[in-house]
Amino acid sequence: SQQGEEDPQALSIQEGENATMNCSYKTSINNLQWYRQNSGRGLVHLILIRSNEREKHSGRLRVTLDTSKKSSSLLITASRAADTASYFCATGGTGANNLFFGTGTRLTVIP
Amino acid sequence: GVTQSPTHLIKTRGQQVTLRCSSQSGHNTVSWYQQALGQGPQFIFQYYREEENGRGNFPPRFSGLQFPNDSSELNVNALELDDSALYLCASSLDRRGYYGYTFGSGTRLTVV
Repeated sequence: SQQGEEDPQALSIQEGENATMNCSYKTSINNLQWYRQNSGRGLVHLILIRSNEREKHSGRLRVTLDTSKKSSSLLITASRAADTASYFCATGGTGANNLFFGTGTRLTVIP
Repeated sequence: GVTQSPTHLIKTRGQQVTLRCSSQSGHNTVSWYQQALGQGPQFIFQYYREEENGRGNFPPRFSGLQFPNDSSELNVNALELDDSALYLCASSLDRRGYYGYTFGSGTRLTVV
């Protein structure tokens, strides 16, 4: 079974707007990672946040992590049409050698 | 990066298939994931220094190999219709993916 759950399942915004996606998980983690997937192809690693971190930035991306609520959010600022993709959160559990993925958020950015 | 071959494959139920992956140079760990349509990837197994190092909830007809030259294989025997999916290979610097994973573009397998 998949540990992470993204919310919303689908999101449609205008170019230039900000997009926020949320992820909840169930057990303790070592780190949480966000990936992007275009049209059912390979996953592109976006950002990794460790369990002892609360916020991380990378370009137009901002990720927060709240381990007390077992949740994370991904904010994409000033969205572009090229940001249209599915976004997955994946958790690296303590004692686990693999990632647990959610079902993803499908983001559509309208030009 | 990570390269996978072939990109697409059509096989008949009951056949066997081999999918190939070339890991990022310097990465000693390779993991395989299965992604059904509309779902997130599911962990199949991981190989570290040519030994299996963890397995998800997949039957033994899913097997793998890792070679010293950064290449690896996923083998699936007795294919079933439900094996139709995107198969993703990911390499990492360490077994826990502490620095993240690099994924390939995947192999789309269709079983008919």
